[in-house]
Amino acid sequence: GAGVSQSPRYKVAKRGQDVALRCDPISGHVSLFWYQQALGQGPEFLTYFQNEAQLDKSGLPSDRFFAERPEGSVSTLKIQRTQQEDSAVYLCASSQQRGGETQYFGPGTRLLVL
Amino acid sequence: SQQGEEDPQALSIQEGENATMNCSYKTSINNLQWYRQNSGRGLVHLILIRSNEREKHSGRLRVTLDTSKKSSSLLITASRAADTASYFCATANSGGSNYKLTFGKGTLLTVNP
Repeated sequence: GAGVSQSPRYKVAKRGQDVALRCDPISGHVSLFWYQQALGQGPEFLTYFQNEAQLDKSGLPSDRFFAERPEGSVSTLKIQRTQQEDSAVYLCASSQQRGGETQYFGPGTRLLVL
Repeated sequence: SQQGEEDPQALSIQEGENATMNCSYKTSINNLQWYRQNSGRGLVHLILIRSNEREKHSGRLRVTLDTSKKSSSLLITASRAADTASYFCATANSGGSNYKLTFGKGTLLTVNP
């Protein structure tokens, strides 16, 4: 079946621009996660949704980062006024259950801020 | 912040050899998971071991967990060139936020044909 998909796969933004990254989780998956992966590092947790409810946003680096999942399926991660330090791969994952032990990851969106 | 630390950072072996990677972590965990990442397929879940388990097998993979030492190891037997990838351990803490995975920096494995 279809896995987690993300778009765009690559995004180049000028510093100060706003960007929106999309995640389509596996159909029917309750839980959705966003992670940020800097070059040469492991992924770092950003935020967690259970259906449409954002239950944990403790990993969002600043108030320039905002995530939503209004209908409990597709999610969007928005970054306002991008900075060079925002350059990273943004990974989305979903899992079937609440919390969800096994997370299925998408291919990621590689963001480069110039 | 990263909890897990993989060791070694990089490993190069010949096809057919075994590869062992280690992971250490700091806090009490609910479970520990290993993931593989390469440019072609993204981050793929390999195996999960719970805090009350000591060893688990899946195909050519063998994972051990020692909660007293807060460490885990991943053994890949009879390695293949296709096993070339970065391998990450990820921990889910015990307690209310056990959905949140904390990854290490990874081990880059190169399997030479």
